[in-house]
Amino acid sequence: ELKVEQNPLFLSMQEGKNYTIYCNYSTTSDRLYWYRQDPGKSLESLFVLLSNGAVKQEGRLMASLDTKARLSTLHITAAVHDLSATYFCASPHSGSRLTFGEGTQLTVNP
Amino acid sequence: EAQVTQNPRYLITVTGKKLTVTCSQNMNHEYMSWYRQDPGLGLRQIYYSMNVEVTDKGDVPEGYKVSRKEKRNFPLILESPSPNQTSLYFCASSFSPSYEQYFGPGTRLTVT
Repeated sequence: ELKVEQNPLFLSMQEGKNYTIYCNYSTTSDRLYWYRQDPGKSLESLFVLLSNGAVKQEGRLMASLDTKARLSTLHITAAVHDLSATYFCASPHSGSRLTFGEGTQLTVNP
Repeated sequence: EAQVTQNPRYLITVTGKKLTVTCSQNMNHEYMSWYRQDPGLGLRQIYYSMNVEVTDKGDVPEGYKVSRKEKRNFPLILESPSPNQTSLYFCASSFSPSYEQYFGPGTRLTVT
């Protein structure tokens, strides 16, 4: 059974600071997805990482994938309040199934 | 506008009363999926469909049924709902499992 584990699960940080969210998954996969969910809202796609060593950046967020270590990271640079949300990673497996991590609830304080 | 729609958005029902949550997408996506979201558990996949008449179980299929008779629609059926199916449900679609998924707005279901 595939396990996807995120840490930390809760993150409170000050504006302007940097931090990294980690996503570990337990079985071999060559891709990884990151999603964002605002409170009371649906999920929206942030990044699709399709190969080992993939790195993608959008604004203050940068995601990377190391398939050998079965690890993806979501790095936040100079956080701003608008980044407050819950972030999920998800790993595909068994061909067409998708397993999500528990989510990291990020709060950026002024 | 490209979107995934779900109905109803909110539903309160009683144990054992059959219900259907509809999901429709207008992006001609082949892959569709249902998830439930519970606090502390993230999203868990219930069922998915690779195309019309092709469906398969996800991680938590017990107590649910689906059908895919048309490409755009993927209803979730609870034949005999129980309180442990109280949850927030999301439908999603994409061109394939390898692509990003587009999520519907969610359906909050309460079973008493």
